[in-house]
Amino acid sequence: NAGVTQTPKFRVLKTGQSMTLLCAQDMNHEYMYWYRQDPGMGLRLIHYSVGEGTTAKGEVPDGYNVSRLKKQNFLLGLESAAPSQTSVYFCAGHRTGGYEQYFGPGTRLTVT
Amino acid sequence: DQQVKQNSPSLSVQEGRISILNCDYTNSMFDYFLWYKKYPAEGPTFLISISSIKDKNEDGRFTVFLNKSAKHLSLHIVPSQPGDSAVYFCAASAEGGSQGNLIFGKGTKLSVKP
Repeated sequence: NAGVTQTPKFRVLKTGQSMTLLCAQDMNHEYMYWYRQDPGMGLRLIHYSVGEGTTAKGEVPDGYNVSRLKKQNFLLGLESAAPSQTSVYFCAGHRTGGYEQYFGPGTRLTVT
Repeated sequence: DQQVKQNSPSLSVQEGRISILNCDYTNSMFDYFLWYKKYPAEGPTFLISISSIKDKNEDGRFTVFLNKSAKHLSLHIVPSQPGDSAVYFCAASAEGGSQGNLIFGKGTKLSVKP
């Protein structure tokens, strides 16, 4: 099993460019999450999904959109990247009834 | 307003000694607490958890203590090993919260010196 994987691992964008981060899981997670981690800020929730076809806003959703067309994939989109979105992005998931979230390895994004 | 606080950004401990990492919370609705460990360039990995109906949970060298009246939990690592050097995040979940969303602290960087 691959677990939770994220694509790409690294990316550099120019201000105003768009991109999509892909999270894929083969752990049958019903719930999936996108976090960002910034120095001294811990992990902050961007958006989450409680099942296929559903999405909801987290703590810091502005500037991001998400989609969950298939249960195993959760996509995070940046329509017009800004330097403030320079961060490390983590995807996570868990099954119904479980609290322990399983994280992917992260995507390091730099916006210049 | 931070609901989960880890007031020590860093901690240095000698190998073989005890490491104690602390976490305070403000939301009395939190009913489940977790500790995650994170190495550089990797995702966080689940370490240990505790339900609010317990005051202690032990797993090998790792023990989590919960003091609900003080809204405080701590992670004890005994004995500490150099491989324990990592950032440790405390996280909490609230009953009736949004489908198990976790609130994370800012993390404590543990350095275990040989």
